[in-house]
Amino acid sequence: TQLLEQSPQFLSIQEGENLTVYCNSSSVFSSLQWYRQEPGEGPVLLVTVVTGGEVKKLKRLTFQFGDARKDSSLHITAAQPGDTGLYLCAGAKAAGNKLTFGGGTRVLVKP
Amino acid sequence: KAGVTQTPRYLIKTRGQQVTLSCSPISGHRSVSWYQQTPGQGLQFLFEYFSETQRNKGNFPGRFSGRQFSNSRSEMNVSTLELGDSALYLCASSFGQGNFEQFFGPGTRLTVL
Repeated sequence: TQLLEQSPQFLSIQEGENLTVYCNSSSVFSSLQWYRQEPGEGPVLLVTVVTGGEVKKLKRLTFQFGDARKDSSLHITAAQPGDTGLYLCAGAKAAGNKLTFGGGTRVLVKP
Repeated sequence: KAGVTQTPRYLIKTRGQQVTLSCSPISGHRSVSWYQQTPGQGLQFLFEYFSETQRNKGNFPGRFSGRQFSNSRSEMNVSTLELGDSALYLCASSFGQGNFEQFFGPGTRLTVL
């Protein structure tokens, strides 16, 4: 059983459309990180959210951390083919740097 | 600033052999974590080292071990390889305690035949 559930598992959209990826848990996390991974490479950190209710914007990407720090979402506006990749959420508890990862959402943006 | 480096990038071994993977963290980072990524299980935490001490351990058998050197470089070792050990092994570095941001290397792709 995944501690962090991501949905959907796969998303295929046309360039210019919007998309939202969800990351849900029954556990409380001290922080939550979002990564994007391309084939054959390691995950690249996009953002870290630490405060319940926090919203962070990174150009066309908007990240939200739930008030109870159990869930998060990633919204991409006007998606571009360069946004294609595997999006991973990962939660950290208070002690140590152990990250618990969600199963990932594979996003395909078609030109 | 150079990122996390991992060597080798690709490795092919046969069942029963052992393997050692290496990770050099970002300069100044003292925490190194290792993860295994497979299509079926996703990314799973193996262990974390901080100042040469193992600080956290995941649910992997004792065949998986690691260590960290005084310069923060880390190695992980897998003994008696099994087919199911085929995976992308990722190393992540972090500044240290209280900082949750982790930066990943490109990984080592291990194939066990």
